[in-house]
Amino acid sequence: ILNVEQSPQSLHVQEGDSTNFTCSFPSSNFYALHWYRWETAKSPEALFVMTLNGDEKKKGRISATLNTKEGYSYLYIKGSQPEDSATYLCASDTNAGKSTFGDGTTLTVKP
Amino acid sequence: KAGVTQTPRYLIKTRGQQVTLSCSPISGHRSVSWYQQTPGQGLQFLFEYFSETQRNKGNFPGRFSGRQFSNSRSEMNVSTLELGDSALYLCASSSTGTWPGSTQYFGPGTRLTVL
Repeated sequence: ILNVEQSPQSLHVQEGDSTNFTCSFPSSNFYALHWYRWETAKSPEALFVMTLNGDEKKKGRISATLNTKEGYSYLYIKGSQPEDSATYLCASDTNAGKSTFGDGTTLTVKP
Repeated sequence: KAGVTQTPRYLIKTRGQQVTLSCSPISGHRSVSWYQQTPGQGLQFLFEYFSETQRNKGNFPGRFSGRQFSNSRSEMNVSTLELGDSALYLCASSSTGTWPGSTQYFGPGTRLTVL
């Protein structure tokens, strides 16, 4: 993996469904992995920052895991709600000070 | 605390002109980063300033420059504008002195249109 890649590009789920997204990043020179939520007409909002292999973070119904050896992170949303509709971005920081964003996963939760 | 503010919110310029965008970080934050978002390229890192010094820089041409003042406010300048510079420019501030890895707090962005 040379760039930060996110999948799927978009996702449509029903209210109450649980869902997950993937962020793949280069594992060499890795320093930190960020997840952001970006709602339409608002600013990106930081969800998590993780640095250690095996890190798990949780915020309400949203959680994330990190595997630095294989270069991936998962974001999980349990019991999706319409207000969870947003674009979820991940960004990988290297120890050389470079920050690279993925293109995001756009989640739409239907009531 | 007030959030990150950016001015102006919208801007229309013509090719060849220059533009200056302003970002005021959250009070007490000393790190300011700038990002460009275009439909085709996603969110791209421009540069990061800490205590008036540029600490990190992305892969953008020299037409893109920035500076930070003693009160941590930052400006970004783009000279000789090109059509491809049309984008949403976001700035973000951080409270920690260490970067990368710090949590970024984003402003609402400046939407620049180059005609």
